[in-house]
Amino acid sequence: GQSLEQPSEVTAVEGAIVQINCTYQTSGFYGLSWYQQHDGGAPTFLSYNALDGLEETGRFSSFLSRSDSYGYLLLQELQMKDSASYFCAVRDTGNTDKLIFGTGTRLQVFP
Amino acid sequence: NAGVTQTPKFQVLKTGQSMTLQCAQDMNHEYMSWYRQDPGMGLRLIHYSVGAGITDQGEVPNGYNVSRSTTEDFPLRLLSAAPSQTSVYFCASSTRLGSSYNEQFFGPGTRLTVL
Repeated sequence: GQSLEQPSEVTAVEGAIVQINCTYQTSGFYGLSWYQQHDGGAPTFLSYNALDGLEETGRFSSFLSRSDSYGYLLLQELQMKDSASYFCAVRDTGNTDKLIFGTGTRLQVFP
Repeated sequence: NAGVTQTPKFQVLKTGQSMTLQCAQDMNHEYMSWYRQDPGMGLRLIHYSVGAGITDQGEVPNGYNVSRSTTEDFPLRLLSAAPSQTSVYFCASSTRLGSSYNEQFFGPGTRLTVL
């Protein structure tokens, strides 16, 4: 099976940079995804890393190191609207039709 | 496109009652799934479907049934509601093509309380 570990909470101030880590334990690997969820809302897809390295999408970047079983989401120029929960997710290697989510990191951005 | 729609948005049930949560998508996605979300526990997969007529169990399937008679619809049935099923339920869909398989589109959720 797979397990994903994320910090439960991260705090930062507007304009800062924050990194949300995700470590995973899995016998195989099919890439790492990130989702954002605002309070009371639905998760929305942010990014997907199939290969090692950094993927940049505007203020958000996602990094993957398969050799270290580790990835992170980097949020730059933080804004109040970035306050949300962030989830990493991987495919179940026993059944790649199953997407397994981490327990999520709650990011609070302060003025 | 409406995307993924779910009804109802809120529901209160008594223990032992049954009900169906509706989910529909208009993106012609092959893959559809149901998750439940409890505080501090992330999203847990209940059931999923890779196409019409095909369903399979996720991590927490007990107490739930699904069917997929059309590509668009994927209803979730609670057979005999229990307080432990109080949760927020999300339906999601995606294509199964390449890396796009990892981009799940979620509905707005159904907030269910079982008394």
